[in-house]
Amino acid sequence: TQLLEQSPQFLSIQEGENLTVYCNSSSVFSSLQWYRQEPGEGPVLLVTVVTGGEVKKLKRLTFQFGDARKDSSLHITAAQPGDTGLYLCAGEGGGSQGNLIFGKGTKLSVKP
Amino acid sequence: DAMVIQNPRYQVTQFGKPVTLSCSQTLNHNVMYWYQQKSSQAPKLLFHYYDKDFNNEADTPDNFQSRRPNTSFCFLDIRSPGLGDAAMYLCATSRVGGTTDTQYFGPGTRLTVL
Repeated sequence: TQLLEQSPQFLSIQEGENLTVYCNSSSVFSSLQWYRQEPGEGPVLLVTVVTGGEVKKLKRLTFQFGDARKDSSLHITAAQPGDTGLYLCAGEGGGSQGNLIFGKGTKLSVKP
Repeated sequence: DAMVIQNPRYQVTQFGKPVTLSCSQTLNHNVMYWYQQKSSQAPKLLFHYYDKDFNNEADTPDNFQSRRPNTSFCFLDIRSPGLGDAAMYLCATSRVGGTTDTQYFGPGTRLTVL
């Protein structure tokens, strides 16, 4: 069974700080996706990384896919209160088409 | 404009009383998914439809059923809800499926079982 482990599980920081969250697995994934979920809402896709070693930037968010395609990281520079939310990584779970498995997420709180 | 709509947003039912959750989409996507997300846990796929083809995950309890009468609508039926079925139920769609295809999620229905 493929598993995605996310760390840390909870993170509370002050506005302006930098942070990194991690998504790790012992399995190789053809791609990984990062979602952000705000309270009471569904997850929203931020990025998909496909190539080992790939780095993608989305404003203050930097996503990296590990060379071996077993892990990924999300780095946020100068966090803002609007970044508060649950950050989920997801990868293919095998089996049926489009079957994503999700990590448990990192719950980020950015205080003003 | 909302693209994946779930109704109701909050549903309260009694132990054992059947309940139906609704999802509709304006994207004309081929694939629709139902996920269960319990508090502080990851979303877990229950089943999905590729057009009319139904795909059940192996560990989805028989208590959960789904219907997709047309491209736009998909329903989740919980035949006899138990206390352990209290969760957020998320509907998602994607154009063609596959793990690099974007899934668009609705806002979810939070189910409470009394």
